[in-house]
Amino acid sequence: RKEVEQDPGPFNVPEGATVAFNCTYSNSASQSFFWYRQDCRKEPKLLMSVYSSGNEDGRFTAQLNRASQYISLLIRDSKLSDSATYLCVVNRPGGSQGNLIFGKGTKLSVKP
Amino acid sequence: SAVISQKPSRDICQRGTSLTIQCQVDSQVTMMFWYRQQPGQSLTLIATANQGSEATYESGFVIDKFPISRPNLTFSTLTVSNMSPEDSSIYLCSVSVSSNQPQHFGDGTRLSIL
Repeated sequence: RKEVEQDPGPFNVPEGATVAFNCTYSNSASQSFFWYRQDCRKEPKLLMSVYSSGNEDGRFTAQLNRASQYISLLIRDSKLSDSATYLCVVNRPGGSQGNLIFGKGTKLSVKP
Repeated sequence: SAVISQKPSRDICQRGTSLTIQCQVDSQVTMMFWYRQQPGQSLTLIATANQGSEATYESGFVIDKFPISRPNLTFSTLTVSNMSPEDSSIYLCSVSVSSNQPQHFGDGTRLSIL
C-alpha cells in the first residue's frame, strides 16, 4: 500500500458544483495532515490543515477518519479559480524531522 | 507567513556541470528542506538542511550528488552536481517552524539538463 494515495482524477466539473477528493494513508501513527494546492508550474501552497474533529474554511471542508486512515476535502460552489492539483500530505512518524509525504495529487478542472 | 525566495528560478545546463540553488527566507526559521518534483510526479524530499551541521539525506540521495549548506537560520543552498538529463526537475526549498507544522515553499527552480 502506498504511503499516501489519492483519487487519480482528473475531475472535470461545472462552476457551482460540489466536488470531493479522497485520500488514504498507510501509517496509523501519522499525526499531521494537510491539503495543499498546486497550480500549474507553481509551488505547492498550503490550503488547510486537517484536524481530528474536521474543519471548515469558507467553501472548503476537510475531514479525517483515523480508524479508516482516510482524509477528505470537499469543495462547495466551485469557482474557475479552484482549478488546480490538490495534494494530500501526511507526516511520516519516525522519519527525518518534519518529513512530509506528498500524494501524487488530484487534478481539478472547473469549467464555465 | 515567511517570504521564501529561490534563485535561479530556472536554468538550462550542460551535462556534467553543477548548479547551486539558493533559498533565502525573510525571517529566521527552525527547519529548512529541499525537495525535488520530477515531471508529472509528486514531491520527494531530498534532505533536511541543518544549521551548522551536515544535512540529513533521505534514502536514495547522497551528499556527493546533492551537497547542501545552511550557514544560518535564513539561508540554504542545494548544489546539483555532475548533472545528467535525469536530474531535470523542479527543485523546491521549504521551511517550517516545527516538525508537525505545515511547510511553506519557495517558488522553485526549474532545471533542464541537455
